[in-house]
Amino acid sequence: GAVVSQHPSWVICKSGTSVKIECRSLDFQATTMFWYRQFPKKSLMLMATSNEGSKATYEQGVEKDKFLINHASLTLSTLTVTSAHPEDSSFYICSARDLRESTLTEAFFGQGTRLTVV
Amino acid sequence: SQKIEQNSEALNIQEGKTATLTCNYTNYSPAYLQWYRQDPGRGPVFLLLIRENEKEKRKERLKVTFDTTLKQSLFHITASQPADSATYLCAYGGELNQAGTALIFGKGTTLSVSS
Repeated sequence: GAVVSQHPSWVICKSGTSVKIECRSLDFQATTMFWYRQFPKKSLMLMATSNEGSKATYEQGVEKDKFLINHASLTLSTLTVTSAHPEDSSFYICSARDLRESTLTEAFFGQGTRLTVV
Repeated sequence: SQKIEQNSEALNIQEGKTATLTCNYTNYSPAYLQWYRQDPGRGPVFLLLIRENEKEKRKERLKVTFDTTLKQSLFHITASQPADSATYLCAYGGELNQAGTALIFGKGTTLSVSS
């Protein structure tokens, strides 16, 4: 299957600082990228959807100004957690799909990023 | 509201047996369902996709069924092995999420296969 590379795999940052997470599709063009958040032993919670060159669409309850998403090209999307606080500590996972032909396609996921805010 | 549920949080079986996991959906008629495997600290990996007009799909030791009357999908792993131990997630295309193209996931069932 296609490869989605997510970096960093883990990061520890101080409260109040910002952290950027990168998600790259290595061997296909991802028209749409998704960002999920996962708490321990819980399912993936969709945070936002981004289409290349467009503003991200955020799910209800997700703060746009706190979680900045940029999808500048068909192979790269970034999530920046601004002014991070301990409650932002979580596992963040990106996902990419090529939806040009059909929505009947699987999603390819990055390895995830474990964010710890101290 | 639309829901996708995997009723069992955990399933423990012995090696060689068939594992059967259940996914139910309510207030929605998805055009397809997908199944993923997730290992601890990793992103999910796609396993199978089944469309609403397909009764059954197979891939090696995996089999998925889709019953639109019962609003249910069953995921089977035959001749299970300890290496099959992981969390299995079902998902549907969330046409009703904000952007309309994301996959919405159930909570997952953690399978443990003992030797």
